[in-house]
Amino acid sequence: DSPMTQSPSSVSASVGDRVTISCRASQDISRYLAWYHQKPGNAPKLLIFAASTLQTGVSPRFSGSGSGTDFTLIIDNLQPEDFGTYYCQQSNSFPRTFGQGTSVEVK
Amino acid sequence: QVQLQESGPGLVKPSETLSLTCTVSSDSINTYYWSWIRQPAGQGLEWIGRIYTSGSTDYNPSLTGRVTMSVATSKNQFSLNVYSVTAADTAVYYCARGFTYGFDYWGQGILVTVSS
Repeated sequence: DSPMTQSPSSVSASVGDRVTISCRASQDISRYLAWYHQKPGNAPKLLIFAASTLQTGVSPRFSGSGSGTDFTLIIDNLQPEDFGTYYCQQSNSFPRTFGQGTSVEVK
Repeated sequence: QVQLQESGPGLVKPSETLSLTCTVSSDSINTYYWSWIRQPAGQGLEWIGRIYTSGSTDYNPSLTGRVTMSVATSKNQFSLNVYSVTAADTAVYYCARGFTYGFDYWGQGILVTVSS
């Protein structure tokens, strides 16, 4: 397995804030890293893949960076629709694994 | 717009088999990998496995021996079986389209409860 560790587990933020979420892999996964956003009762939505490529239709307020073992998701100018849980996920090896999630909550 | 829809029983008895089907519309199933992912209530996401249209599969070792997947290309469907279920298999089950770097399209999810 290639466990993925996210930090923080939760963050309280206000509309307009910049939010930074980190994801660390237990081994080198190159850039095989995706980020998802999940709202309660909904399926996860792909935001970013290949560590930094924005999925079609996703707001440019989202950006990703990193390679190897350390990755970052940044949300600029946080909007009401951005609240929820964010997951990272690696596709470098089997089994595919997800981080434990970071909950972005209203301050 | 690719759409995926899970179907199957919402209640399964312990020790029995959980069987789900995912129907893919607006896209041919004859490309990409097709995965199952599950999420227990209030918890994170667990990848169960994937199948390619050739029938080749990869499964999560945590479930090896209890999981099989199959594909019916003529129906644009793929399926999941989880054998000898326990309460720990209670979760929302998602089907998803996989590509090199992740999962770009997901079904809405189906809650499966294991209970007598």
